[in-house]
Amino acid sequence: ILNVEQSPQSLHVQEGDSTNFTCSFPSSNFYALHWYRWETAKSPEALFVMTLNGDEKKKGRISATLNTKEGYSYLYIKGSQPEDSATYLCAFHSGGGADGLTFGKGTHLIIQP
Amino acid sequence: NAGVTQTPKFQVLKTGQSMTLQCAQDMNHEYMSWYRQDPGMGLRLIHYSVGAGITDQGEVPNGYNVSRSTTEDFPLRLLLAAPSQTSVYFCASRGQGGGYTFGSGTRLTVV
Repeated sequence: ILNVEQSPQSLHVQEGDSTNFTCSFPSSNFYALHWYRWETAKSPEALFVMTLNGDEKKKGRISATLNTKEGYSYLYIKGSQPEDSATYLCAFHSGGGADGLTFGKGTHLIIQP
Repeated sequence: NAGVTQTPKFQVLKTGQSMTLQCAQDMNHEYMSWYRQDPGMGLRLIHYSVGAGITDQGEVPNGYNVSRSTTEDFPLRLLLAAPSQTSVYFCASRGQGGGYTFGSGTRLTVV
């Protein structure tokens, strides 16, 4: 069973502040690292799919970096807004022809006005 | 464009009953997966498919069967429902190089 860890488990951030959280994953047999945003009562929504060591991706105020050699990825949110409140999931996609993802338990982000 | 459609949204089963959770996607995606989500656990992979006619087991396959006779459909069958299968089930699909698009989920209770 692959180990994908996310920290912190939950986070309260003041509106307007920037924040970041971590995903660690196995550094061997790497194919891709996914980030998803999951709002309450909705389904997970894909943010990024990252494949190359050193990758940096950005979508609006949200960005992510990837280090496959040491097995970690950071997700950054700049200038947090109440609509950023959600659970952020990372998921490891191993190589070798298999598909399907191993998910972390998520970071639950609450933005306080 | 409906995306990924799961039916039913809610279901209550008695122990020992069987049922099929339906999943259909209209995006011509090759890859489809089923996950279950339980309190305190991350999403866990049950089965996946890399194309029509090809399926494989994920992390928690016991008690479930799948088939992929068409690109669009990927049903999940519960053979003999048990209380341990009470969960929220998500079907998801993706195209080459993309992230997964998730269905809205099926909340299953086995009593």
